[in-house]
Amino acid sequence: QKEVEQNSGPLSVPEGAIASLNCTYSDRGSQSFFWYRQYSGKSPELIMFIYSNGDKEDGRFTAQLNKASQYVSLLIRDSQPSDSATYLCAVSPSGTYKYIFGTGTRLKVLA
Amino acid sequence: KAGVTQTPRYLIKTRGQQVTLSCSPISGHRSVSWYQQTPGQGLQFLFEYFSETQRNKGNFPGRFSGRQFSNSRSEMNVSTLELGDSALYLCASTPTSGSDEQYFGPGTRLTVT
Repeated sequence: QKEVEQNSGPLSVPEGAIASLNCTYSDRGSQSFFWYRQYSGKSPELIMFIYSNGDKEDGRFTAQLNKASQYVSLLIRDSQPSDSATYLCAVSPSGTYKYIFGTGTRLKVLA
Repeated sequence: KAGVTQTPRYLIKTRGQQVTLSCSPISGHRSVSWYQQTPGQGLQFLFEYFSETQRNKGNFPGRFSGRQFSNSRSEMNVSTLELGDSALYLCASTPTSGSDEQYFGPGTRLTVT
């Protein structure tokens, strides 16, 4: 079992729809969770982080964390073609000073 | 604030050579992490430094090494390059004010021929 798993996609959604991206992790000691967006040929860009169970909203983005089920998700409302990118989930187990990344989900927003 | 900077941005080396990559973190950030990104393996953790000390290391051979200087700038070195070392090498810095989100630099694209 991979430490952080994501569906590679592509996930295709029409413009204006909600895109839902999911990530599961194996280390129950993980305390910090991050979502990055990576455009082709560019470096990852931090878009959300969450530390506590529940939802965290920032503009069109909502991160959801469920530690009991060991999953974290990212919702993108009113998806735009410019949101088309690969979304990376990252997890940091407590005290390791290490970040483990999933292989990413490719999102395509269709105009 | 200026972001994370990495030099050089592109590098072409021959098998057997060695290479040194440099990273300057965001001002005030004291933790620096390095990653290797390849299409097949995704982002793989190499090592993390804080106050000139390596606190964690990923599963890479000893040919990969790094260090951090007193001004938090970091370098990584790869000796005896192999074709499989061709990758995007990313550096990320982290503030140490109680939050631990990472911010990435633009990366160094290394091609080994």
